[in-house]
Amino acid sequence: AQSVTQPDIHITVSEGASLELRCNYSYGATPYLFWYVQSPGQGLQLLLKYFSGDTLVQGIKGFEAEFKRSQSSFNLRKPSVHWSDAAEYFCAVVPRDSGAGSYQLTFGKGTKLSVIP
Amino acid sequence: DSGVTQTPKHLITATGQRVTLRCSPRSGDLSVYWYQQSLDQGLQFLIQYYNGEERAKGNILERFSAQQFPDLHSELNLSSLELGDSALYFCASSVADRFTEAFFGQGTRLTVV
Repeated sequence: AQSVTQPDIHITVSEGASLELRCNYSYGATPYLFWYVQSPGQGLQLLLKYFSGDTLVQGIKGFEAEFKRSQSSFNLRKPSVHWSDAAEYFCAVVPRDSGAGSYQLTFGKGTKLSVIP
Repeated sequence: DSGVTQTPKHLITATGQRVTLRCSPRSGDLSVYWYQQSLDQGLQFLIQYYNGEERAKGNILERFSAQQFPDLHSELNLSSLELGDSALYFCASSVADRFTEAFFGQGTRLTVV
């Protein structure tokens, strides 16, 4: 079955430490890949996306993600976490075989990030 | 600010009632998507409209319906509400026909008591 998995429900890191949030997908063909962030009481903000090309994608707020086809993964990273990064992070996909005009994001369960000052 | 506006931000209502959630997409976006976020189900796609027409349906209950008006704003109608319908309902919009990105509103928090 097609699925998006975020193995870590909750991660706690110290401010200034590096961060890696994991995302694995199970689809026949590599889907379009996204990372969204949801701050408390806020909507979802797109951090970055991967459609094709360079497997290392740069996003906003200093985030990057690496697509690894062999591992069906699209992990999110940040070299140095700031206290304001505390939020919930969602990996999402859109299958490539979606019809024209269809853009149904399928989300993982999310990873909650806590940052220790 | 994503440019997607949802009203109201909070809604408290009783079981059995009906409510309407409203969404105004970003200027120029023709597609509107509705998502439900609950603790047990996570973020679930409900329905998509494109330029006034229903384009795709997800896990939307029969008690729920939506429409997109000529000015492209959309409404999600929830009826015969149950306690389990309490959730955060998000609207998103996109240009459609191009896989770029979807912009999300801040959501409507629905509490059914």
